Order: sequence, then structure tokens, then C-alpha cells
Amino acid sequence: DTGVTQSPTHLIKTRGQQVTLRCSPISGHKSVSWYQQVLGQGPQFIFQYYEKEERGRGNFPDRFSARQFPNYSSELNVNALLLGDSALYLCASSLKRGFSEQYFGPGTRLTVT
Amino acid sequence: ELKVEQNPLFLSMQEGKNYTIYCNYSTTSDRLYWYRQDPGKSLESLFVLLSNGAVKQEGRLMASLDTKARLSTLHITAAVHDLSATYFCAVESGGGADGLTFGKGTHLIIQP
Repeated sequence: DTGVTQSPTHLIKTRGQQVTLRCSPISGHKSVSWYQQVLGQGPQFIFQYYEKEERGRGNFPDRFSARQFPNYSSELNVNALLLGDSALYLCASSLKRGFSEQYFGPGTRLTVT
Repeated sequence: ELKVEQNPLFLSMQEGKNYTIYCNYSTTSDRLYWYRQDPGKSLESLFVLLSNGAVKQEGRLMASLDTKARLSTLHITAAVHDLSATYFCAVESGGGADGLTFGKGTHLIIQP
């Protein structure tokens, strides 16, 4: 059974640019959550989507947005990139709304120069 | 604002020894989670603790929750090298709408 997949694996962008990260959940999972993990720190919650609606939002600026598609895949968009946006972006999926039994993807490493 | 503090942040121990990682949080929480992260890898869910007095065990790891003290512990029994990793606790609040707040992690090295 395929786990959570994320694309791209690595990405290098310049300050001010925009980026889109993609996540495909485990088959049958309807909830997707996004996290930002800066090197050496714990992950920070960005968004949770369940059944294509936003169900939770962390303390991130409006430059960060996301959506979930009818097939439950998800995209995270970040506009006007800053150097501080450089991080590992993790996606996790679960069957139900909430955070129990989350399965994490391998992450997308974003570097902003 | 919910704060989650783990200690120690770094721990080097020998195989066969026992040790405990502590996770304190600042406000009433709905649930508490423990995760493992290997270097350069993603996170793996270990435990979810739902109520006061909850105890979960898997192999050499045991997690417990005291909601009155706002404290969770992750106890390692007879450590083995394969348990070397970074361990995070995370607290759920706001009924999930506020997401999870993670601690900074405990970097655990187990030496033969």
C-alpha cells in the first residue's frame, strides 16, 4: 500500500517568488495536515483539511494558503517567499478529522535564497 | 498561548539503561501525542494519550499522561541502539482547530 507522497522532494526558490507543494494522502484518507519544520526545531502546524474544508489553521501569515481537492490530495501555496520560509514541509494524512493515527509523508525541502 | 517544553533536549545514554523524557505543557489540552523522527526522515507516530492516567506501551517505550500536572513522560526501558532518534511530544488544543503544538524535541543517542 502506498504511503503519503509529496512532491517535489527538494526545491530552491528566490525571495519574493511563489511556491506550490503537493501532497497525496494514503488511499481512503480524507484528512490532510501541513506542517513546517525548521532545521533543529519541532514541526509547526500550518493547516488541516478534512473533506475539502479547512478545519484548523496555525499561526502563519496569509502568504500561506492551501486547498484540498475532490480526490483528497492537497496543495500548499506560499507567496512572497522569505528567507525564513526555508524549511522541511511535511504533509500528514489520516482517515478521520483530527490528529490521531496520522501518517507523515517524506517532506519537501524548500530552500529560499 | 500554549507552550510545550521537553527535557532534556539532548540525551546520550548507554545500551541497557533506563531513562525518561519529560513533556510539560502550559494549558489544558485535549490530547497528547508522541512522535519519533530519524535523521533526515519524516515523523512516525508512536502514541496518542487521551485522558488523565492514560498509559501506552510499545516494546521498550512507555508513555503516560498526567493532565492535572500537565505532564507526559516517555520512558525507555533497557535502551537499544535502534531507539536512537529525536522524540517529539505534541499537544492538541482548541478541539483540534488550533492544531498541534510541538515541543522542541529530545535528541536521543544510545551508545553500545
